[in-house]
Amino acid sequence: QLQLQESGPGLVKPSETLSLTCSVSGGSFTSSSYYWVWIRQPPGKGLEWIGVIHYSGTTYYSPSLKSRVAISVDTSKNQFSLKLSSVTAADTAVYYCVRSVDYGARWGIGDYWGQGTLVTVSS
Amino acid sequence: QTVVTQEPSLTVSPGGTVTLTCASSTGAVTSAYYPNWFQQKPGQAPRALIYSTTNKHSWTPARFSGSLLGGKAALTLSGVQPEDEAEYYCLLYCGGAQLWVFGGGTKLTVL
Repeated sequence: QLQLQESGPGLVKPSETLSLTCSVSGGSFTSSSYYWVWIRQPPGKGLEWIGVIHYSGTTYYSPSLKSRVAISVDTSKNQFSLKLSSVTAADTAVYYCVRSVDYGARWGIGDYWGQGTLVTVSS
Repeated sequence: QTVVTQEPSLTVSPGGTVTLTCASSTGAVTSAYYPNWFQQKPGQAPRALIYSTTNKHSWTPARFSGSLLGGKAALTLSGVQPEDEAEYYCLLYCGGAQLWVFGGGTKLTVL
């Protein structure tokens, strides 16, 4: 059974960089069909797509966050990471790491999710 | 940027049928938007229900189905159960560079 687990600081100061890592276990990390995604959810609000990475290193980011986001991958550890710079209170959210699958002519997003980790931006 | 719109809230009686919709500000939703649907209950991570318009995951109850309806993506629940009370989100592929956009969510009340 595939498992994803987010880890990182739960509290980040304004203007600093938020850093999270997602560890993937129990299944393939380097299949060409899998893409690894970060999604966030501010308290009491809806879901927001942050960006996606393939194990090859190809990345795509939400235009609204592109200037502040970097997603990287470490295939030796079956991990992918999120960095979000210059954070403000608006970046306070539960951050989820998620697997997505390219089935060819179909896309399945989020068949597996991490439990989510709350990151609060506050001084 | 593309805005994806869902009904903010819907109410359905147990055993009834309800359809949730998902619209794109850029025009009619087609299969090329690969609509995905998720269910989220309070305090839990979202759970995927439908991918690429109509495809169910192995864990998706048979009473959930996805379709395209009147230029929108749609999620229909037939024979609604009390445990279906939840927030439902759609997700659409909206651009060439892996641009995916969530709808604002529909709060479904079973009453």
